[in-house]
Amino acid sequence: DTAVSQTPKYLVTQMGNDKSIKCEQNLGHDTMYWYKQDSKKFLKIMFSYNNKELIINETVPNRFSPKSPDKAHLNLHINSLELGDSAVYFCASSQDVYEQYFGPGTRLTVT
Amino acid sequence: AQKITQTQPGMFVQEKEAVTLDCTYDTSDQSYGLFWYKQPSSGEMIFLIYQGSYDEQNATEGRYSLNFQKARKSANLVISASQLGDSAMYFCAMREFSYKLIFGSGTRLLVRP
Repeated sequence: DTAVSQTPKYLVTQMGNDKSIKCEQNLGHDTMYWYKQDSKKFLKIMFSYNNKELIINETVPNRFSPKSPDKAHLNLHINSLELGDSAVYFCASSQDVYEQYFGPGTRLTVT
Repeated sequence: AQKITQTQPGMFVQEKEAVTLDCTYDTSDQSYGLFWYKQPSSGEMIFLIYQGSYDEQNATEGRYSLNFQKARKSANLVISASQLGDSAMYFCAMREFSYKLIFGSGTRLLVRP
């Protein structure tokens, strides 16, 4: 019974391609997030949705587009992938402003 | 200025001993939350403990406790009776007025047998 799941776990693709990462949570939480962890392990928020509405949109290239079809799902679509997009992407969820529960992460490698 | 500072990039501790991981934060908000997460080598992020800025008592969760010193703006994590499985990266994080967490750079803890 995984609380926050992400697919795929690993994603290897070439520069210029478009890819998507899917996230689902079964915790009944109202808020979901995308974080990026770089090669130095630094974690930074990218986006957040609360009840399907975008509430946080950090300084992220517009090649990144989140989509929340319902409050249990938050997908991340990335256009025209670049080498610098290589990172681990984490999805997370929370109820209101309390602790956030993270998915297992998706390791994206752009070659 | 950094919002969350973890000054110990790496630490060692002997198995069964206690260890303190340092975290200082910077905020002008009165209402905020402080969190600690563990990231083992397998990569997942595991929530450990939470402290609200208005909580008068230090948070505890099993072997984890948070030493919250509001005036000094510090929120150190104390792990008692270290186990080999505690070897991991530990991240301190803060939530201010919004939903987003701001993370520190992490401390890598290695527990020696």
